[in-house]
Amino acid sequence: RKEVEQDPGPFNVPEGATVAFNCTYSNSASQSFFWYRQDCRKEPKLLMSVYSSGNEDGRFTAQLNRASQYISLLIRDSKLSDSATYLCVVIDSGNTPLVFGKGTRLSVIA
Amino acid sequence: DTAVSQTPKYLVTQMGNDKSIKCEQNLGHDTMYWYKQDSKKFLKIMFSYNNKELIINETVPNRFSPKSPDKAHLNLHINSLELGDSAVYFCASSQDWGNEQFFGPGTRLTVL
Repeated sequence: RKEVEQDPGPFNVPEGATVAFNCTYSNSASQSFFWYRQDCRKEPKLLMSVYSSGNEDGRFTAQLNRASQYISLLIRDSKLSDSATYLCVVIDSGNTPLVFGKGTRLSVIA
Repeated sequence: DTAVSQTPKYLVTQMGNDKSIKCEQNLGHDTMYWYKQDSKKFLKIMFSYNNKELIINETVPNRFSPKSPDKAHLNLHINSLELGDSAVYFCASSQDWGNEQFFGPGTRLTVL
């Protein structure tokens, strides 16, 4: 069974801190990767797609390491509003099931 | 202008009943999904439809039956509800398989 693993946390960090999460996947043929954010009692929302070359969006940077089969999410200058659960998604080629990680919970503390 | 909508938002029912959850997307997407998020917050895919055709059925009990009358709708019917069916059910859509997904607000099902 294909697996996607995330450190569940919680990560408790002070405002302004830099925090990074990893998500490991077991299927080397996986092709698409995403980070989603889910606030308490809300639906998941796309945060970033993860490209082979990595991508950055403001304080957020996502990277893919195919050799070690993990994706990462780096958040710089954490804000209180970044407190949420961060879910990684790994999608294989063709119509095979996509898999969400179980999520990493982040709490940014004033 | 809700992109993905679900009804009802809350559903409380007795064991053994049959219930339906409706989902509609106005994004013009070809692919729709149903997910179940249990009390441990694990989000697990149940079904996926592409252009009204079922492409994923993830070992879900046959008490669960999805129906897609057209590309914009994917409804979920559940027969003989059990206590373990209590969860939040999310509908989602994407332009095509493997693209970013847009989620509905979820339906919180409680089976008593």
